[in-house]
Amino acid sequence: TQLLEQSPQFLSIQEGENLTVYCNSSSVFSSLQWYRQEPGEGPVLLVTVVTGGEVKKLKRLTFQFGDARKDSSLHITAAQPGDTGLYLCAGAQGGSEKLVFGKGTKLTVNP
Amino acid sequence: NAGVMQNPRHLVRRRGQEARLRCSPMKGHSHVYWYRQLPEEGLKFMVYLQKENIIDESGMPKERFSAEFPKEGPSILRIQQVVRGDSAAYFCASSPSGRAWEQYFGPGTRLTVT
Repeated sequence: TQLLEQSPQFLSIQEGENLTVYCNSSSVFSSLQWYRQEPGEGPVLLVTVVTGGEVKKLKRLTFQFGDARKDSSLHITAAQPGDTGLYLCAGAQGGSEKLVFGKGTKLTVNP
Repeated sequence: NAGVMQNPRHLVRRRGQEARLRCSPMKGHSHVYWYRQLPEEGLKFMVYLQKENIIDESGMPKERFSAEFPKEGPSILRIQQVVRGDSAAYFCASSPSGRAWEQYFGPGTRLTVT
């Protein structure tokens, strides 16, 4: 059983379109992270959210943590080919330092 | 600032040999984590270490795997008598003290067992 479910698994869109990807769980997380990973490389940390209902913006990316701290979303406005990659959500529970990862959303932005 | 460094980037071992994977954390980070990524699977936690201490090894296989983070030098993940199922990408991450959730990953070591 996957603790963090990400959807969709694959997403292919045209440059300029908007998109939202989701990270859902039935469990509560003390913090949630979003990473982007490119083939052959390690995940790159994009953002950390820790407060229920928190919204963070990073240029064209908007991250939201659910009020109950069980889910999160990543919205990209006017996607560009450089946004192509595997987007991973990860969460920490309680006092644990280990991160639990979802399987990711593979995004392709076509020029 | 240099990021998390891992070496080698690629490692090929025959069944039964030993694999040693090295990780140098970001400057100023005292916490190191190892994760494994199998094909078509997500990243799975293996072990969490601080200098000279293993804090949480709940994700480590019980046999053949060990990890250390000595007072001086990099953290080492050691796999003895490798089997084909050990083939995977192994990632190291580090975090600053007091912000364990803020983990920065290295580029990984891709282990292939032939």
